[in-house]
Amino acid sequence: DAGVIQSPRHEVTEMGQEVTLRCKPISGHNSLFWYRQTMMRGLELLIYFNNNVPIDDSGMPEDRFSAKMPNASFSTLKIQPSEPRDSAVYFCASSPGGTKGSYEQYFGPGTRLTVT
Amino acid sequence: GEDVEQSLFLSVREGDSSVINCTYTDSSSTYLYWYKQEPGAGLQLLTYIFSNMDMKQDQRLTVLLNKKDKHLSLRIADTQTGDSAIYFCAEIGGGYQKVTFGTGTKLQVIP
Repeated sequence: DAGVIQSPRHEVTEMGQEVTLRCKPISGHNSLFWYRQTMMRGLELLIYFNNNVPIDDSGMPEDRFSAKMPNASFSTLKIQPSEPRDSAVYFCASSPGGTKGSYEQYFGPGTRLTVT
Repeated sequence: GEDVEQSLFLSVREGDSSVINCTYTDSSSTYLYWYKQEPGAGLQLLTYIFSNMDMKQDQRLTVLLNKKDKHLSLRIADTQTGDSAIYFCAEIGGGYQKVTFGTGTKLQVIP
């Protein structure tokens, strides 16, 4: 398996623009997670899905952030409008959940977002 | 809510053992994990331990769990320069898959 795939790997955009980050989880995994990592705040869980249904979005910073999972093989995280404080590395992770018993998460390589 | 704490930094000499410590607060934790993050990459699962175990060994890695004190440690034997990375402790509890990650410990291996 190719692992979790994220695109783009790097994104530089201007303040006010819309940004869409994409994720393809590992086939057969039933859970998907979006994280944000910064030096100041460390690793933060933004939202996670189970069987394509959002379970907990309490980590989404504000209404500018939205996430969708239209099917088991694709998810997006959208920021509209973007602000400089959104600059971070955004990770997507997927998990087989209880099917393997240990709920381990597999991380993608991340998208480094810079908002100027 | 749940909290997972780690020291921020550890420096060891190549060939020595490294011990990275973690404390957590959730008494219902079922699985506890150690992840490794190399520069510019995502987190990679190193090992995990089920809460009814007190030790797990996997080649150079030894995980110790003291459930009474809610303390988890990762020992890396014969530490190599390639072990330099950030190590995250994490735990999962309750009925869902929400994993709580620690702040990460940056391990620096001195040649």
